[in-house]
Amino acid sequence: GDSVTQMEGPVTLSEEAFLTINCTYTATGYPSLFWYVQYPGEGLQLLLKATKADDKGSNKGFEATYRKETTSFHLEKGSVQVSDSAVYFCALSDGGYNKLIFGAGTRLAVHP
Amino acid sequence: GAVVSQHPSRVICKSGTSVKIECRSLDFQATTMFWYRQFPKQSLMLMATSNEGSKATYEQGVEKDKFLINHASLTLSTLTVTSAHPEDSSFYICSARVTATNEKLFFGSGTQLSVL
Repeated sequence: GDSVTQMEGPVTLSEEAFLTINCTYTATGYPSLFWYVQYPGEGLQLLLKATKADDKGSNKGFEATYRKETTSFHLEKGSVQVSDSAVYFCALSDGGYNKLIFGAGTRLAVHP
Repeated sequence: GAVVSQHPSRVICKSGTSVKIECRSLDFQATTMFWYRQFPKQSLMLMATSNEGSKATYEQGVEKDKFLINHASLTLSTLTVTSAHPEDSSFYICSARVTATNEKLFFGSGTQLSVL
């Protein structure tokens, strides 16, 4: 079945460092891909999404490009801030938002 | 944005007891709510989908008699873990969808259940 694999955390960075969180997927169809973020004490929030190959999703300085050839959707940010400390979940869906399939989440800790 | 409130955030209970987790949409009506479970270092897995006023649809491998879901109103869904065992210890998250045509999902902050 469909699945999502993302890098294990925690990822610890200094402020202004470059961030990459790897995400790869397995799917039989042509899924939509998502990144969700969960800040401490809050619910998951949609960070960005891409619905077809070569699409780039972006939001709040984060970017991810839908790479069909490598079945990847890596999350990147050029300069992280302490406020970016959170858990990031990669997810896919081939049926809208109903059947979201998540990765295990990657905890990011950014230190001043 | 829309807010989903989930309570409690953390609960510890004895084996054999039942635990109820509430999920409320605070500023919108949720026709559909979803319940997820996450074991340590594993993916967030969909357990069941509930539509207001009807029986929940459970994913394969999820025991409907053990995980009772009630969605009696457009703003409240509850998950009751009955006769809890230590292997039920997990992180449970709910999410809510606004309407049938608006596919955006809003998530609760999760409940960490520990069964002793």
